[in-house]
Amino acid sequence: GNSVTQMEGPVTLSEEAFLTINCTYTATGYPSLFWYVQYPGEGLQLLLKATKADDKGSNKGFEATYRKETTSFHLEKGSVQVSDSAVYFCALSEWGGAQKLVFGQGTRLTINP
Amino acid sequence: DAGVTQSPTHLIKTRGQQVTLRCSPKSGHDTVSWYQQALGQGPQFIFQYYEEEERQRGNFPDRFSGHQFPNYSSELNVNALLLGDSALYLCASSSPSNEQFFGPGTRLTVL
Repeated sequence: GNSVTQMEGPVTLSEEAFLTINCTYTATGYPSLFWYVQYPGEGLQLLLKATKADDKGSNKGFEATYRKETTSFHLEKGSVQVSDSAVYFCALSEWGGAQKLVFGQGTRLTINP
Repeated sequence: DAGVTQSPTHLIKTRGQQVTLRCSPKSGHDTVSWYQQALGQGPQFIFQYYEEEERQRGNFPDRFSGHQFPNYSSELNVNALLLGDSALYLCASSSPSNEQFFGPGTRLTVL
């Protein structure tokens, strides 16, 4: 079946550091890929998405590129802020974003001032 | 425009009891999905409703059932609660061609 694997956390960085959170997936066909963010006490918010190979999703300074050859969708940000502290989830959907989402286990990110 | 709303926010039940969780989708959305998020884990898909029918189902036992009403709101019912059912239950709404928007969740504790 389909699955998503994320780098294990927690991850702790200083403000303005470069961020990478690794995500790899296993899927049949051509899934859509997503990054969701969960702030303390809240539900999930869509951060960015990519629907086909070589697409780059971007939002709020975060980027991720759909790499079919390495089945990866790593999340990056050039300069993190304290407000980026949250749990980040990589996810896939077989047939577009409205369909069943398969999530990774999440990576907790803490940014220190 | 109100987003996805869920009620109640928190709930405490004992083993063997039954629980009903409720979800109102974002305006314009007709599809509702439910997920279970255990502490420290990613959400797991329970099922999805569209046009008042269950369209997809994840790997959850029949104790988990749902319903969608004509106004697209939805309920999740769990019977014969187990300690392992303690989790954050997330509702997400979407239209057929768009991504899912999540509610804040209902925190269920089973004692």
